[in-house]
Amino acid sequence: EVQLLESGGGLVQPGGSLRLSCAASGITFSSYAMSWVRQAPGKGLEWVSVISASGGSTYYADSVKGRFTVSRDNSKNTLDLQMNSLRAEDTAVYYCAKGKTASSSSPSDYWGQGTLVTVSS
Amino acid sequence: DIQMTQSPSSLSASVGDRVTITCRASQSISSWLAWYQQRPGKAPKLLIYKASSLESGVPSRFSGSGSGTEFTLTISSLQPDDFATYYCQQYNSYSWTFGQGTKVEIK
Repeated sequence: EVQLLESGGGLVQPGGSLRLSCAASGITFSSYAMSWVRQAPGKGLEWVSVISASGGSTYYADSVKGRFTVSRDNSKNTLDLQMNSLRAEDTAVYYCAKGKTASSSSPSDYWGQGTLVTVSS
Repeated sequence: DIQMTQSPSSLSASVGDRVTITCRASQSISSWLAWYQQRPGKAPKLLIYKASSLESGVPSRFSGSGSGTEFTLTISSLQPDDFATYYCQQYNSYSWTFGQGTKVEIK
């Protein structure tokens, strides 16, 4: 059974940093692209970032480019999102999602349950 | 960036109704389009990928069609489990975008 478990969410002040992690099990982690998607309270889905299966290619939404960094450790089956210079508008539930293929350009067929990030003073 | 526009934003329907949701892309995305279902408080679930391919385990009452800039998701006979919000997503470029969502409510 595929499981994606996010952690690291919480309350942080504007301008602060937070690191999210996603632990994957039940899959050959190194064979799939992984992404982060967020959802602000009561709002729709917003793609944040994607990383290829090898980790060699990474892409970001304009809204987080230069502030967020995605990375993965294929030996530990983990995906991370380092979030710096956080803003109130980054407040959201952050989902980790598995790509259907190794390519960074594939839809997400499994999702974690999400971790809430709240940016507030 | 490619913009995705869904219509309608919400709809009311009864069990057994045929429901169609439309998604338009601001430029051609070939068939690189997915549909997701999200129930309240839950993670999204992939229904359709590559515009018309049914994800494994998804009931056959769900179908997708279209290419280029116009796409549709059809639920042939709405069931109680189908009351949820539906999102389209383009993955043509390395800057994915979602539609704003369509909430399907009980009439």
